[in-house]
Amino acid sequence: AQSVTQLDSQVPVFEEAPVELRCNYSSSVSVYLFWYVQYPNQGLQLLLKYLSGSTLVESINGFEAEFNKSQTSFHLRKPSVHISDTAEYFCAVSKRAAGNKLTFGGGTRVLVKP
Amino acid sequence: NAGVMQNPRHLVRRRGQEARLRCSPMKGHSHVYWYRQLPEEGLKFMVYLQKENIIDESGMPKERFSAEFPKEGPSILRIQQVVRGDSAAYFCASSPKTGTDNNEQFFGPGTRLTVL
Repeated sequence: AQSVTQLDSQVPVFEEAPVELRCNYSSSVSVYLFWYVQYPNQGLQLLLKYLSGSTLVESINGFEAEFNKSQTSFHLRKPSVHISDTAEYFCAVSKRAAGNKLTFGGGTRVLVKP
Repeated sequence: NAGVMQNPRHLVRRRGQEARLRCSPMKGHSHVYWYRQLPEEGLKFMVYLQKENIIDESGMPKERFSAEFPKEGPSILRIQQVVRGDSAAYFCASSPKTGTDNNEQFFGPGTRLTVL
């Protein structure tokens, strides 16, 4: 079984400041790792994913996440946030194969202030 | 290529009524997953289906809940005799058929169920 812990339930941050959202997981098998973003009253959108290869993955809108196997972490960072980044962010894992459920963390609500 | 479609987007039911939630996966996708998001919580897996088969229902409550994905038509999540605790957002996700091993799942906009 897998589990995901997002240590911060809410993160207030000023516009143009950096932000880091922490995600730790536990699993007895190798996993794929994902970050999803949920804007108010909408569904989830995939932000980025780690499958294999380089441990640093990037999204098209400036987010990046680094897979750290020894610390079982997959923290999400952005060097300079925008008001439009206000949303809830979910870290998720699944077993390394098709057709496996996602296990989500509790989510981190990011509120970007002007 | 249309994304995952869910309807209705909002559903209001009184206690004891039945709720039917529909999900049409993306074109070419034959795997469907249902997740539930209770207020102020993350998403919890409920059930995973392929066409005409339930593959994993380990997250489904044992009573009142059922799911199907027929050969033709959308996947249906059915909740019988709803109670207030069933109020939540229900999300459907789909992924391509076996052969792609990255397990990326594409989510619909969700159905927000309110039980009065």
